[in-house]
Amino acid sequence: EVQLLDSGGGLVQPGGSLRLSCAASGFTFSSYAMSWVRQAPGKGLEWVSVISNSGGSTYYADSVKGRFTISRDNSKKTLYLQMNSLRADDTAVYYCARDPIFNGYFDYWGQGSLVTVSS
Amino acid sequence: DIVMTQSPDSLAVSLGERATINCKSSQSVLYSSNSKNYLAWYQQKPGQPPKLLIYWASTRESGVPDRFSGSGSGTDFTLTIGSLQAEDVAVYYCQQYYSTPYTFGQGTKLEIK
Repeated sequence: EVQLLDSGGGLVQPGGSLRLSCAASGFTFSSYAMSWVRQAPGKGLEWVSVISNSGGSTYYADSVKGRFTISRDNSKKTLYLQMNSLRADDTAVYYCARDPIFNGYFDYWGQGSLVTVSS
Repeated sequence: DIVMTQSPDSLAVSLGERATINCKSSQSVLYSSNSKNYLAWYQQKPGQPPKLLIYWASTRESGVPDRFSGSGSGTDFTLTIGSLQAEDVAVYYCQQYYSTPYTFGQGTKLEIK
């Protein structure tokens, strides 16, 4: 069974940093691209970033470019999102999601990790 | 960026009746080299992550009931629920994956009339 377990969320002050993790199981992690998608409270879905299966290619939304870094450790079957210079409008539930075709749709999602940026 | 616009924003349908949700993209998401529309549909219930329903505009994900169907091409797409069940109450999103940044529609909230 495919499982994605998000972790690392919490309360952080504006300008602070946080690293999210997504532990994968039930599939060959190194064969799939992975993305982060976020959802502000009561709002819609916003794609954040994608990384290729090898980690060699990454793309970002303009809203996070230069502040967030996506990475992966295929030996640990884990996806990461390093978030720096956090702002109040980064407050959201962050989902990791599997991308079966790289630059595509998302067939499995984690349960989400809430990040709250507030003083 | 490709802007995705869904209509309506909310919809109330009687049990057993058909529900139709529309999605329009600001530019075509049809890739001419493979004739595929880079369009997906998701269902999200309260407190849950989104669930993939449809990809390539009309391909149903494994395990999704056949009352869910997707249609359309180019810039105009439709998600149809053939006979509404109580468990279909949710917010539905379309998403284009033709180009980054991937973008979602604003969502359509489906309720029982």
